[in-house]
Amino acid sequence: QQPVQSPQAVILREGEDAVINCSSSKALYSVHWYRQKHGEAPVFLMILLKGGEQMRHEKISASFNEKKQQSSLYLTASQLSYSGTYFCGTDKGSNDYKLSFGAGTTVTVRA
Amino acid sequence: EPEVTQTPSHQVTQMGQEVILRCVPISNHLYFYWYRQILGQKVEFLVSFYNNEISEKSEIFDDQFSVERPDGSNFTLKIRSTKLEDSAMYFCASTGGDYTQYFGPGTRLTVL
Repeated sequence: QQPVQSPQAVILREGEDAVINCSSSKALYSVHWYRQKHGEAPVFLMILLKGGEQMRHEKISASFNEKKQQSSLYLTASQLSYSGTYFCGTDKGSNDYKLSFGAGTTVTVRA
Repeated sequence: EPEVTQTPSHQVTQMGQEVILRCVPISNHLYFYWYRQILGQKVEFLVSFYNNEISEKSEIFDDQFSVERPDGSNFTLKIRSTKLEDSAMYFCASTGGDYTQYFGPGTRLTVL
């Protein structure tokens, strides 16, 4: 079962903040956040494993709620380089760690 | 820094032809994956591979698809008889079991 991501797209001016959500109807083992630039491979940002956990990658942070059914990615003081499509990948604890990805959120940061 | 590599970067083929996409995972990784991404859509899981066998495959991964690890470094995806709808970007990924999956740059497959 794929996670549900929202919003589908967001447009920001440099310095503005945004939140991207990733949710599941069932508890997850982990949530992985990736950013993909047009025509490139997804690049790993961070992973959250524990309920209530918060992680940070430069000025991008993420949280995982206590029930492990929702994760949020926070783009703080956005930079032009933050533009891209952000995907959450979820792992339900299968032995092979395979990921199911959300539909993605396209972030456009303008000067 | 170690990285996953994939060849070719772009493959154009005629419908019905066989293609082999190649990947070299990070050397000490144990789990290998193929994902695909149709243009403008999300990344979709195809197959996972561990200990020289398939761990799990999606409904997309039908009898036309196969994977192999022919030696200690390469990991291949074969599509026996390509269809138009196989046109997509194919990503190989690997993990050493610390949950972080590293993606290769992808192979863009175009089926004419």
